[in-house]
Amino acid sequence: DAGVTQSPTHLIKTRGQQVTLRCSPISGHKSVSWYQQVLGQGPQFIFQYYEKEERGRGNFPDRFSARQFPNYSSELNVNALLLGDSALYLCASSPYLTTGFMNTEAFFGQGTRLTVV
Amino acid sequence: GQQVMQIPQYQHVQEGEDFTTYCNSSTTLSNIQWYKQRPGGHPVFLIQLVKSGEVKKQKRLTFQFGEAKKNSSLHITATQTTDVGTYFCAGVTGNQFYFGTGTSLTVIP
Repeated sequence: DAGVTQSPTHLIKTRGQQVTLRCSPISGHKSVSWYQQVLGQGPQFIFQYYEKEERGRGNFPDRFSARQFPNYSSELNVNALLLGDSALYLCASSPYLTTGFMNTEAFFGQGTRLTVV
Repeated sequence: GQQVMQIPQYQHVQEGEDFTTYCNSSTTLSNIQWYKQRPGGHPVFLIQLVKSGEVKKQKRLTFQFGEAKKNSSLHITATQTTDVGTYFCAGVTGNQFYFGTGTSLTVIP
């Protein structure tokens, strides 16, 4: 079975531009989460979606938005890019939500390396 | 800002020595997970702890969740070169999921 796949793997954008990152979860997984990992730091939680609904949101500005499609794949959009948005963007999928938020193992994709110049 | 801190930030050990990383949260956590990230790689799930005072073992790795559910630790016995990487704790509090700052482990053969 394929793991979590993300596209593109690398991306270079100019300040002020918009970017869309894509994630396909493991087959059968209904929950997708997005993280931003700046070099040398831990991943920062951006969003979680489950069954196409937003179930969690981290402390990121409104320039960041996401959605989940009926096939459970997801897109992360970032508008008006800033230099500080340069990072590895990770997507993680989980099979379900149990009794609590993020209460199951998350499987991470390889990430999209975004560079803003 | 970051609410889950880990110490130490870096640790160099001789192969065969033990290693411990500590995770501390400013708020009570619903559960805590541990991940390992190899250089250039993505985080890989190791374990989840849910109960207060819980201890779990995976071969040479021992994970603990504090009684107050605000701290956790990962202990590796007799490190091997394959243990190299950054170890992150990640906890749930409210509707937020926080990764710790990570501990980068280097094992010297």
